Amino acid sequence: DAGVTQSPTHLIKTRGQQVTLRCSPKSGHDTVSWYQQALGQGPQFIFQYYEEEERQRGNFPDRFSGHQFPNYSSELNVNALLLGDSALYLCASSLAHLGPDEQFFGPGTRLTVL
Amino acid sequence: GEDVEQSLFLSVREGDSSVINCTYTDSSSTYLYWYKQEPGAGLQLLTYIFSNMDMKQDQRLTVLLNKKDKHLSLRIADTQTGDSAIYFCAESFHSGGYQKVTFGTGTKLQVIP
Repeated sequence: DAGVTQSPTHLIKTRGQQVTLRCSPKSGHDTVSWYQQALGQGPQFIFQYYEEEERQRGNFPDRFSGHQFPNYSSELNVNALLLGDSALYLCASSLAHLGPDEQFFGPGTRLTVL
Repeated sequence: GEDVEQSLFLSVREGDSSVINCTYTDSSSTYLYWYKQEPGAGLQLLTYIFSNMDMKQDQRLTVLLNKKDKHLSLRIADTQTGDSAIYFCAESFHSGGYQKVTFGTGTKLQVIP
């Protein structure tokens, strides 16, 4: 079991560009959550996908959008990049239920916006 | 709204016990978690406690929950250099029928050999 994988590992973009980050969940997991972790901060929840639909969203603008595919993998898209979007983007997978949210995290994608 | 706070830094000597503290604000929390993040890595779930429990022990880890004061702690016994990392506490609560998780800012644990 490869666990949660994310690609790419690192990415450098310029202001105004668009970026797509990818995540493959742990085998058997059907729910994917995305987090933004700025330097020196804790992860901030962006949104969560289940059954190919966004079912929860944090306080992030519409420039942040996502998608979940039938194989449960997911993409995070960010449009019109700002310098403040520079962060580590973490993907976490879990099983949809209301018990303890045992999320398994990927290693993250480090996005730098110049 | 929900808010989770932690002290920024803790330094201990190898072999001593470490205690990392966390306070949270949402009284409707259902579960509270401790995660570990090593440099360049994602978060690793260490342990969690249900909100109606006071204590949970798992090998070298002991979690204490004071629900009245909304205070959570993680004690690491016999701290090793491999325990050096950033530790995040997190709370989850029901929101719109789903679990919503909020993380603290993290405590950097430095273990001195």
